[in-house]
Amino acid sequence: GEDVEQSLFLSVREGDSSVINCTYTDSSSTYLYWYKQEPGAGLQLLTYIFSNMDMKQDQRLTVLLNKKDKHLSLRIADTQTGDSAIYFCAESKAGGFKTIFGAGTRLFVKA
Amino acid sequence: DTGVSQNPRHKITKRGQNVTFRCDPISEHNRLYWYRQTLGQGPEFLTYFQNEAQLEKSRLLSDRFSAERPKGSFSTLEIQRTEQGDSAMYLCASSLGAGEWTDTQYFGPGTRLTVL
Repeated sequence: GEDVEQSLFLSVREGDSSVINCTYTDSSSTYLYWYKQEPGAGLQLLTYIFSNMDMKQDQRLTVLLNKKDKHLSLRIADTQTGDSAIYFCAESKAGGFKTIFGAGTRLFVKA
Repeated sequence: DTGVSQNPRHKITKRGQNVTFRCDPISEHNRLYWYRQTLGQGPEFLTYFQNEAQLEKSRLLSDRFSAERPKGSFSTLEIQRTEQGDSAMYLCASSLGAGEWTDTQYFGPGTRLTVL
């Protein structure tokens, strides 16, 4: 079946690193995504990784994929108050139309 | 702005009324998707279009819901005889749909529906 799970909350201090974790069940998933949603706004694509990769870095963001354990993580270095938002993990298949989202992790950044 | 746009941003209606939402995708994108997001949850897939053809509908999309994309550009989502359980954020997304390398979905800001 298709399921994506995330922890609901994470609180960090400004300047620290944040690590948001996600697990998924569908081993045929090809694309794994991280989206950010600020209050009252739509989803902003942060980054994505293909299932044949194990790491992707983009400025302050590092995505790690453990395909064997079906575990995906997003690390945000030097977390800022502007990073406070809900972060959604999502997965889809190659050429697929349906993206399955987790319930989101609410990141609180304390000044 | 060349992103996905949605109108209206907010809609308040009384139970039993019909509502229609509009989505304008990124201009060169062939695929268009509708999702519903309730409080504390991630988006749930409702339906998608490849150009003007509606190719998949979720079981969440009851007979009261209908979506169209008549010319393969903008899309409308209509809800007839609204119920309080329809209250949610309705999100539209679009993707290039040109092959497995470029099907990342880009989302609009959503339409928040409140049914009284």
